[in-house]
Amino acid sequence: DAKTTQPPSMDCAEGRAANLPCNHSTISGNEYVYWYRQIHSQGPQYIIHGLKNNETNEMASLIITEDRKSSTLILPHATLRDTAVYYCIVRVKGNTPLVFGKGTRLSVIA
Amino acid sequence: DAMVIQNPRYQVTQFGKPVTLSCSQTLNHNVMYWYQQKSSQAPKLLFHYYDKDFNNEADTPDNFQSRRPNTSFCFLDIRSPGLGDAAMYLCATSRINYNEQFFGPGTRLTVL
Repeated sequence: DAKTTQPPSMDCAEGRAANLPCNHSTISGNEYVYWYRQIHSQGPQYIIHGLKNNETNEMASLIITEDRKSSTLILPHATLRDTAVYYCIVRVKGNTPLVFGKGTRLSVIA
Repeated sequence: DAMVIQNPRYQVTQFGKPVTLSCSQTLNHNVMYWYQQKSSQAPKLLFHYYDKDFNNEADTPDNFQSRRPNTSFCFLDIRSPGLGDAAMYLCATSRINYNEQFFGPGTRLTVL
């Protein structure tokens, strides 16, 4: 079973920051937080991951709370192409498979 | 470009008629995964290969089998498809001990 809880849906205005929350209160010390997204009719796409420090790449930023029980994925300037289901996943680094929860359906509105 | 390719993108089969879905990769990744995604649901892992080492999820039905003849190719065989097997089937790959999984576009299976 997925170890994360996410809101089922969110809306965001185009050009604004999208902040997607995730709760993972039972995360273990060696588990990372991963984010993937799935645009309609496509395979999931990796976005970012982190252990305890905040992370940023060309797609997004990941903010993890100090107690690691929750995190927020930030898309700084959302576009219509960012409309997708966003999955927050906790897993041990390496070859362990992904266990997807229900995710958050983000709708970016013009 | 290096990528994960799934063929066909759309497959229609009849109830009980065996079907094979294929996945190939040009990434030279050691690990390959098969996920099933039913309508409006999240992807669910069926099995994965760590090189040639096959790992079956406990709740994957016996109706589903997989073959990996070499590093580049992996097949999903559904021996007797039922109506409940209609879904998107996703193939993914990763390097050993690497974080990111790369997904193919999926094959949408329809069972008539």
